[in-house]
Amino acid sequence: DTAVSQTPKYLVTQMGNDKSIKCEQNLGHDTMYWYKQDSKKFLKIMFSYNNKELIINETVPNRFSPKSPDKAHLNLHINSLELGDSAVYFCASSPPTSGGAVTYEQYFGPGTRLTVT
Amino acid sequence: AQSVTQLGSHVSVSEGALVLLRCNYSSSVPPYLFWYVQYPNQGLQLLLKYTSAATLVKGINGFEAEFKKSETSFHLTKPSAHMSDAAEYFCAVSERSGNTPLVFGKGTRLSVIA
Repeated sequence: DTAVSQTPKYLVTQMGNDKSIKCEQNLGHDTMYWYKQDSKKFLKIMFSYNNKELIINETVPNRFSPKSPDKAHLNLHINSLELGDSAVYFCASSPPTSGGAVTYEQYFGPGTRLTVT
Repeated sequence: AQSVTQLGSHVSVSEGALVLLRCNYSSSVPPYLFWYVQYPNQGLQLLLKYTSAATLVKGINGFEAEFKKSETSFHLTKPSAHMSDAAEYFCAVSERSGNTPLVFGKGTRLSVIA
């Protein structure tokens, strides 16, 4: 009954490869996010999707392409991996902000540690 | 633009001592404020949040935080530290206009000494 799940948990690959990270939430939320946590633990937003539509793209290189096949899924595909892409990638989701009980917080997945060698 | 400053990248306290982790924010509009905790090799867990109700917010695991608009602060406290509190703590801010991304501080690593 995991709320926000990510696969894989660990990903080790070589420079130049293409890889994907998958995220699924079973909370019924409309909005999903990808955050990147660097080696100094700094967290920064990469993308935000609402009802499968991209609403925020924070100047991320176009080697990163998110895709949301439905409201419950937000995947991240990375082309031509570089050493600097090594980080922990977190998926998150948040509930609608209108109607019913509004909670505002974001629910995070366990993270995917990507290591590029 | 919003920003968050966490004073002290590393705080060390003795078991049973007061925990105080500092957070100051910058926002042009009244924000929502959050504290998240990250245990080693895990995701982020919400400790507590301020969303315009009571300024003193109680969270999980005995933590609480007070929103002080005049000081633009949202410091996290716990009266008595436990060994299990050792983790990385993040303060975050978001706008009040719907589902907007969180802007995080750089985090404070809390160590608890027996």
